[in-house]
Amino acid sequence: QSALTQPASVSGSPGQSITISCTGTSSDVGGYNSVSWYQQHPGKAPKLMIYEVSNRPSGVSNRFSGSKSGNTASLTISGLQAEDEADYYCSSYTSISPFVFGTGTKVTVL
Amino acid sequence: QITLKESSPSLVKPTQTLTLTCTFSGFSLSTSGVGVGWIRQPPGKALEWLALIFWTDDKRYSPSLKSRLTITKDTSKNQVVLTMTNMDPVDTATYYCAHNPPTITLIPYFHYWGQGTLVTVSS
Repeated sequence: QSALTQPASVSGSPGQSITISCTGTSSDVGGYNSVSWYQQHPGKAPKLMIYEVSNRPSGVSNRFSGSKSGNTASLTISGLQAEDEADYYCSSYTSISPFVFGTGTKVTVL
Repeated sequence: QITLKESSPSLVKPTQTLTLTCTFSGFSLSTSGVGVGWIRQPPGKALEWLALIFWTDDKRYSPSLKSRLTITKDTSKNQVVLTMTNMDPVDTATYYCAHNPPTITLIPYFHYWGQGTLVTVSS
């Protein structure tokens, strides 16, 4: 099971919106409404930001939103803030295993 | 309040078997829909899912590591144990356990995570 493909890095200025893509296949991202997104600050455990493509857990800012089109899912961060600087990982259910994670994206706030 | 905490030896030798223990509170692994999973992260690298056990004792493993992994649960102790055989230096990583909540769709995801435990494989 290959990892889902994410851009290595995305950057933006405070207040801007950025979008992180997560590309898979019809056997994972495209086949199920199961994409979740995790934020990880250095030295910390991952934190769930989005589940089932577009649902936000209680306590997660509404500046974070998720969507999916075909085999590609996206995480959009609007009104970018310094605290959003972190690594972000997508994951998806697959036809052969419950999870595959993405390659990870480092978000830099300029 | 849901919390999870991993425990393990910090150093194991190549070819040895690693035993990881996840001790949790705030939920029960006998509750319908609940699961606990293990994920690892080598230094500077991406997350990798390893294994997942459900309230029914249904177990799922990463296809690439299945032959080396065994996951078990002790509901009375609120613990999940993962063993990984034949450890190699490439298995050096931070190992996390995480809570999979009940979902209507039965599609799992990880909501609460432990702090992680760093395991180094070296002779």
